[in-house]
Amino acid sequence: SQQGEEDPQALSIQEGENATMNCSYKTSINNLQWYRQNSGRGLVHLILIRSNEREKHSGRLRVTLDTSKKSSSLLITASRAADTASYFCATDASDSWGKLQFGAGTQVVVTP
Amino acid sequence: EAQVTQNPRYLITVTGKKLTVTCSQNMNHEYMSWYRQDPGLGLRQIYYSMNVEVTDKGDVPEGYKVSRKEKRNFPLILESPSPNQTSLYFCASSFVAGGLAEQFFGPGTRLTVL
Repeated sequence: SQQGEEDPQALSIQEGENATMNCSYKTSINNLQWYRQNSGRGLVHLILIRSNEREKHSGRLRVTLDTSKKSSSLLITASRAADTASYFCATDASDSWGKLQFGAGTQVVVTP
Repeated sequence: EAQVTQNPRYLITVTGKKLTVTCSQNMNHEYMSWYRQDPGLGLRQIYYSMNVEVTDKGDVPEGYKVSRKEKRNFPLILESPSPNQTSLYFCASSFVAGGLAEQFFGPGTRLTVL
């Protein structure tokens, strides 16, 4: 079963706009991680947010975590064509030691 | 350079012919894991290993075997491949520190079983 579910499935924006995607999960977590994947290639880690953190920033990326709602969001500000990729959230569930579960991803297309 | 390597990168085989996909990391990570990626399904975990000689099933372990005899290597074995194992496979590794740390992924192995 998939712990994380991303929303929306696909997102099309223009350069300079912000992109927001959401992730919902089902059980308690140690942390939640966001990854980027360019077409068919290996995933690249973006941000890890722990269960006791509410917000984290890295460059143009902002991640929030609401453990009461079991949800997280990833915001990419001032998007660029190079941000075109699929984005996945992954949850490290606190009751399943070692299992990292990914959602189906959000496909983001940024047009010049 | 810190990296996770997988071999082969591409493989076409026939039903029933045993194969092994190798995975190696040079970062001294305790944790290693295998995933398969299919369209619309994201990544699904096959097996994982918390350390040498310790392996556990993920969400889709049927038809796969793994071993962890050395810290750096975590091969994925398909004893009798079937067409439904046609997929893109990723190996990943990380440290373990109060939970799983950021995962380092290999480049992927695209497997086709005819």
